[in-house]
Amino acid sequence: KAGVTQTPRYLIKTRGQQVTLSCSPISGHRSVSWYQQTPGQGLQFLFEYFSETQRNKGNFPGRFSGRQFSNSRSEMNVSTLELGDSALYLCASSNTGAPPQHFGDGTRLSIL
Amino acid sequence: QQQVKQSPQSLIVQKGGISIINCAYENTAFDYFPWYQQFPGKGPALLIAIRPDVSEKKEGRFTISFNKSAKQFSLHIMDSQPGDSATYFCAASKGSSNTGKLIFGQGTTLQVKP
Repeated sequence: KAGVTQTPRYLIKTRGQQVTLSCSPISGHRSVSWYQQTPGQGLQFLFEYFSETQRNKGNFPGRFSGRQFSNSRSEMNVSTLELGDSALYLCASSNTGAPPQHFGDGTRLSIL
Repeated sequence: QQQVKQSPQSLIVQKGGISIINCAYENTAFDYFPWYQQFPGKGPALLIAIRPDVSEKKEGRFTISFNKSAKQFSLHIMDSQPGDSATYFCAASKGSSNTGKLIFGQGTTLQVKP
């Protein structure tokens, strides 16, 4: 069974640009949640999608957005990138009603 | 407001020893407490989890102890092995509608010396 797949693995952007990250959940999993991981702030919840609807949102500015497609694949978008957005972005998928068990290996985003 | 506090920040244990990592939470509405293990370059992987209706859960060499009145829970790794060297995160979530929203501790870097 394939795990959670995140693409791309690495991204380098400059301030002011926007970026889209992709997450393919484990087959059959309908919930996808996104996290930001930095050395200073640790793992912070961004948002969760279930059946194409945002179910929860963390305390991030509106520049961070996401969506989920009918096949449960999810994307997150960050607009007007700032230096502080440099981080490892992780997504996790889970079965209905279950907390995240499986994380992808993340997308490493670097802002120059 | 940090809702889950984890200690220690780093830990060095000899092979065969017991590794103990502690977490304390503030929100009594939390009802799910998982532990994750993360190796460099990899995403976190669920190790073991507990709900507040039990005081202890054991899976192989990993045990969670839970103290509801003290709002604390801990991970014990028995017979620690060099392959256990990783970063460990405790977490908490609340409610069946918030299962994907985990509040993480700051992490503990464990080094097991051979």
